[in-house]
Amino acid sequence: EVQLVESGGGLVQPGGSLRLSCAASGFTLSSYSMNWVRQAPGKGLEWVSYISSTRSTIYYADSVKGRFTIFRDNAKNSLYLQMNSLRAEDTAVYYCARRGSEVLYNNWFDPWGQGTLVTVSS
Amino acid sequence: EIVMTQSPATLSVSPGERATLSCRASQSVSSNLAWYQQKPGQAPRLLIYGASTRATGIPARFSGSGSGTEFTLTISSLQSEDFAVYYCQQYNNWPMTFGQGTPLEIK
Repeated sequence: EVQLVESGGGLVQPGGSLRLSCAASGFTLSSYSMNWVRQAPGKGLEWVSYISSTRSTIYYADSVKGRFTIFRDNAKNSLYLQMNSLRAEDTAVYYCARRGSEVLYNNWFDPWGQGTLVTVSS
Repeated sequence: EIVMTQSPATLSVSPGERATLSCRASQSVSSNLAWYQQKPGQAPRLLIYGASTRATGIPARFSGSGSGTEFTLTISSLQSEDFAVYYCQQYNNWPMTFGQGTPLEIK
């Protein structure tokens, strides 16, 4: 069964840092591009970051550029999101999600992990 | 950035009836559009990609249509498990963007 499991969320003060992890199972992570998507409490979905299977292409939403870093360890079948200079507006459930397929333009998300909650508050 | 606008804001439908949800893009996204279903406390689930292709395991009562800037998700005969929030997402341009979601409620 294809599965993604996030961890690393929690309560952090404004200006602090946190690293999220996403463990993949049931498929070979190195064959897929991956994403982070977040959802603030009671709000909609916001794409955060993308990393290609070979790490050659990385994108960030403007809202996190310069503060968040996406990276992956294919040997550990894991994806990460390093979050620095956290703000109250970064409070959200963070999901990792696999790219639909590696064909050009196929950037839908499937599957998704269960999410991990990040709360930025003093 | 492409803005995705979903309508109606909320949809109330009786079980067994048809539900039609709309999604409009601020510029053409070709057929590079997906639909997701999200139930309370759960992660989103992919329903449709390529505007009209059902994802693996999605029942035939879910169908998608449209291209360019106007898209529709139709649920032909609502089952109790279909009441949820539905999101559209464009993946034609970076950044990928979502609509604000349409809650589908029991009437």
